[in-house]
Amino acid sequence: AQSVTQLDSHVSVSEGTPVLLRCNYSSSYSPSLFWYVQHPNKGLQLLLKYTSAATLVKGINGFEAEFKKSETSFHLTKPSAHMSDAAEYFCVVTPLYGAGSYQLTFGKGTKLSVIP
Amino acid sequence: ETGVTQSPTHLIKTRGQQVTLRCSSQSGHNTVSWYQQALGQGPQFIFQYYREEENGRGNFPPRFSGLQFPNYSSELNVNALELDDSALYLCASSFGGTSTDTQYFGPGTRLTVL
Repeated sequence: AQSVTQLDSHVSVSEGTPVLLRCNYSSSYSPSLFWYVQHPNKGLQLLLKYTSAATLVKGINGFEAEFKKSETSFHLTKPSAHMSDAAEYFCVVTPLYGAGSYQLTFGKGTKLSVIP
Repeated sequence: ETGVTQSPTHLIKTRGQQVTLRCSSQSGHNTVSWYQQALGQGPQFIFQYYREEENGRGNFPPRFSGLQFPNYSSELNVNALELDDSALYLCASSFGGTSTDTQYFGPGTRLTVL
């Protein structure tokens, strides 16, 4: 079984300051991990994914995440927030292989607000 | 924007009715997954279809059923609607149904059950 805990339901940052969205995961098997973003009235968009290659993963729009197996974490960061980053962010886990590898398990989401 | 489209955009039904939601996959994709997103929650996996066969199912009752057609478009059917079925229903298409295959999401259908 797998699960995701997003440690903050809401994060507020000023424009131009760093962003940190925290995610811990649990998985019975080696995991694949993803971050998706959801803007209001838009579909989910993939920001980045980890599938057992390099532990530091770079995504779109300047976002990156680091897979830390010892801490079971996959935190999302960005050096400088833009107003357009304001959205809901979801951390997602699935087993890399085997049963359930077709099924994405989502966290509850973190709402990011960016203050001008 | 992904190439995944869903219809209708919004839908209002009453308790006990039946509903059909539709999804067109991105070109070249052979796998469709459906998710339910309740207000303020993350999406929950309903089921996945790969080449017209159900490939896996989440913790949803049998009144949630689906189909995938030869052109890989898909339908989600919900019978005997309950108030708790009110949610955003998302479909996602991919080429393959494993963890390494990126799922591309449509904009969703907002279902309200009164």
